[in-house]
Amino acid sequence: KAGVTQTPRYLIKTRGQQVTLSCSPISGHRSVSWYQQTPGQGLQFLFEYFSETQRNKGNFPGRFSGRQFSNSRSEMNVSTLELGDSALYLCASSPLPGQAYEQYFGPGTRLTVT
Amino acid sequence: ILNVEQSPQSLHVQEGDSTNFTCSFPSSNFYALHWYRWETAKSPEALFVMTLNGDEKKKGRISATLNTKEGYSYLYIKGSQPEDSATYLCALIQGAQKLVFGQGTRLTINP
Repeated sequence: KAGVTQTPRYLIKTRGQQVTLSCSPISGHRSVSWYQQTPGQGLQFLFEYFSETQRNKGNFPGRFSGRQFSNSRSEMNVSTLELGDSALYLCASSPLPGQAYEQYFGPGTRLTVT
Repeated sequence: ILNVEQSPQSLHVQEGDSTNFTCSFPSSNFYALHWYRWETAKSPEALFVMTLNGDEKKKGRISATLNTKEGYSYLYIKGSQPEDSATYLCALIQGAQKLVFGQGTRLTINP
């Protein structure tokens, strides 16, 4: 079974721009969660989607948004990029909603904001 | 703010030795605890999901225990091998159903 895939793997953007990251879950998994990893803050939960609905959201500003499509693929968008948004963005899928189930992580998208 | 503490932050162990490290968390509203292994240049990999007080789980040379009443979990590695070198993360879910990760324990196995 193919694992979680994320595109692009690397991205360089300028302050003020917006960015869209994509995540394809493991086949049959309907829950997708997004995480941000920075050296200072560690791994932090952004949001979780299941059946095209956002189930849960972390403590991030409204510039961070996401969506899920009917095939369970998910995108996250960051508008008006700030230098502090430079991070590794990971998505993870699981068969069922609720993060009590183990998360299967993708390789991540490394975003650099200059 | 929910605090998940892992100790030590880093650890160097000789190949063949056994080791363990700790994840501490508030004991109220406990729902589940996850352990992940994150090797450099790879994705985090799930080791265990633990939900019951007194739970003990094992995968090969790695095992974990859980005490929800006192708010801690131990991860044990028996007979460390170079491939065990990684950062080990624990993550807690309380009633709010949001995974909160600790900062991790970075383990280095010296051959």
